[in-house]
Amino acid sequence: GQQLNQSPQSMFIQEGEDVSMNCTSSSIFNTWLWYKQDPGEGPVLLIALYKAGELTSNGRLTAQFGITRKDSFLNISASIPSDVGIYFCAGARNNAGNMLTFGGGTRLMVKP
Amino acid sequence: ETGVTQSPTHLIKTRGQQVTLRCSSQSGHNTVSWYQQALGQGPQFIFQYYREEENGRGNFPPRFSGLQFPNYSSELNVNALELDDSALYLCASSSGGRGPGELFFGEGSRLTVL
Repeated sequence: GQQLNQSPQSMFIQEGEDVSMNCTSSSIFNTWLWYKQDPGEGPVLLIALYKAGELTSNGRLTAQFGITRKDSFLNISASIPSDVGIYFCAGARNNAGNMLTFGGGTRLMVKP
Repeated sequence: ETGVTQSPTHLIKTRGQQVTLRCSSQSGHNTVSWYQQALGQGPQFIFQYYREEENGRGNFPPRFSGLQFPNYSSELNVNALELDDSALYLCASSSGGRGPGELFFGEGSRLTVL
C-alpha cells in the first residue's frame, strides 16, 4: 500500500487561483519528486528535489523538500485550465535506484 | 529521439491466463522499471532492470517476472492472472546521467482480468 500521504485528494478551483498540495511520510526519503498525470498518459516529471530544505521552481510551480526529509509541498500559482490532472508526489531512498514510492495523488480541477 | 513506447495499449485476459507486456525505452536510456497503477491510486514499483539483470524489486510475487534485452527494451510477464492484477502497467526508462527517480514513463498498458 501507499506509504506517502498526499493531501488534499482533490481540489476544484477557479482559474487564476493559487494551489497548494502536500505529501507526508512516516519515514525519511533522500529525494522527493512531483509528477503530473493526464488522462490516458503516463506520469510526467515536474520537479525533483535532492536536499532537505531545498526550494525549487519550474515556471509557475514551486516545490520544497521538508527539513525533516519526511514531507514536501507543491504550489501552483495562477492556475490555468491545462493544469487539470492528477499530481503525484514520490520519494526515493539512496541506493534504491528508481524504486519510487508514490502518494495517492491530488486530482486538480480548474474552472475557467 | 523517441520516447518510451508500450504495447499493447489495452488487453483483456481471463483469470489464470498469462500476459506479456512490452516496452521500448527512450533512446539512450539503459534502465527500465515497471510500475502497477490500480484505478484511483498512485503507481507501485514492481521491479527494475539494468544491463539485462533485475536490480530491484517491490512487494510483488514471483509470478511477476521480467526481461531486459541488449537494446534495453523490456518485457513484463505475469503468470496465473488474478482479478486484482487488473491495472495500468507503466514502464519507465532512465539513464545514468539523470538524478535518482527522474523517470520517463510510457502511456501504459491497461490490463483487465475477467
